[in-house]
Amino acid sequence: GAVVSQHPSRVICKSGTSVKIECRSLDFQATTMFWYRQFPKKSLMLMATSNEGSKATYEQGVEKDKFLINHASLTLSTLTVTSAHPEDSSFYICSARDQIRGKVQETQYFGPGTRLLVL
Amino acid sequence: AQTVTQSQPEMSVQEAETVTLSCTYDTSESDYYLFWYKQPPSRQMILVIRQEAYKQQNATENRFSVNFQKAAKSFSLKISDSQLGDAAMYFCAYRSGKAGKSTFGDGTTLTVKP
Repeated sequence: GAVVSQHPSRVICKSGTSVKIECRSLDFQATTMFWYRQFPKKSLMLMATSNEGSKATYEQGVEKDKFLINHASLTLSTLTVTSAHPEDSSFYICSARDQIRGKVQETQYFGPGTRLLVL
Repeated sequence: AQTVTQSQPEMSVQEAETVTLSCTYDTSESDYYLFWYKQPPSRQMILVIRQEAYKQQNATENRFSVNFQKAAKSFSLKISDSQLGDAAMYFCAYRSGKAGKSTFGDGTTLTVKP
């Protein structure tokens, strides 16, 4: 199956700083990537849909100025948590859908996640 | 909006036995996809099985199979010959044929007893 990587796998930062998380599709091109947030033993909460070359679409209640998403290429999307606070501590997961001969496939492939701890 | 319900927060099964995880969903669409994902302690989401709504035949992947009841909007996962490595949190997910995003259930934590 298709492989999605995330970097870093875990990060600890001080309150007020910004943190960037990278999501890469390693062996396929992804016009659409998704960013999720997951609390311990809870479900995945979709934060935004990232489209290559255009602005991300944020879910209701997600602050777009706080969670900046950039999808500059077909293989890379980044999530920047700006002015992070302890309540932003969470597990962030990205996912992408593969394309075959220009047709977007239905299955989402997930990155391994990034654990963010804000002190 | 579509909703996905997993009514079993926790399930346990004896090694080598069979277990069924329940999932129901609510939608007014006719074109959609259903998925089961596994999330082990590493927290890497792994696709277990997928089902296209237009297909009547239930999907199977080795020891994993689904019981897809479209009229009842039910999509259960059966794990046969359970192994210790099957222990994980399992998520049922719905994806509209039109919209790009998926809706996930709250998950079922499966414990496999040796």
